[in-house]
Amino acid sequence: DQQVKQNSPSLSVQEGRISILNCDYTNSMFDYFLWYKKYPAEGPTFLISISSIKDKNEDGRFTVFLNKSAKHLSLHIVPSQPGDSAVYFCAASLPGNQFYFGTGTSLTVIP
Amino acid sequence: DGGITQSPKYLFRKEGQNVTLSCEQNLNHDAMYWYRQDPGQGLRLIYYSQIVNDFQKGDIAEGYSVSREKKESFPLTVTSAQKNPTAFYLCASSIGGNEKLFFGSGTQLSVL
Repeated sequence: DQQVKQNSPSLSVQEGRISILNCDYTNSMFDYFLWYKKYPAEGPTFLISISSIKDKNEDGRFTVFLNKSAKHLSLHIVPSQPGDSAVYFCAASLPGNQFYFGTGTSLTVIP
Repeated sequence: DGGITQSPKYLFRKEGQNVTLSCEQNLNHDAMYWYRQDPGQGLRLIYYSQIVNDFQKGDIAEGYSVSREKKESFPLTVTSAQKNPTAFYLCASSIGGNEKLFFGSGTQLSVL
């Protein structure tokens, strides 16, 4: 049973516009949510995270929003750049160091 | 530079053969993990270890084995019992909390 879901396998955005990647989860016990960026044949790199006690965290062009009542989080990238083209994974973690990942969204930023 | 080193980058397995994937970290992290990625799928947890000489099965442990004899090392053996081993394998570590995972660069395992 998939506890973290990314329902959009792919997304295309024009350079300079906003990219919004979405993620849903089912387990209300998750206490951290993370976003990773991955290029083919490489390991994922950490982008940004948010604690379950917050509803927004911002780092430069990247902002993560958490809506606990809807069990939904989103990653906003503004402005989008061609170098942002990659697969983005949403993840959630439980106390006890268990991490759960979504299936990923492939973002293409068109120059 | 601190980090996680996975080797080899590419590995080929023959029928009935066991192969071992190496993972070494110099981050002084307590917890280490093995994930498997298949095309179009997310990362699925194979095994994880929170301390030396202790490890737990993840969601897809069948056909795999691990050891954690040293804090820095967490090798994964893909046994002949794993009937569909072709995948991209990722090793990760965390300092002990659940705030962030650090990943290695991965090993692509293919069957000859």
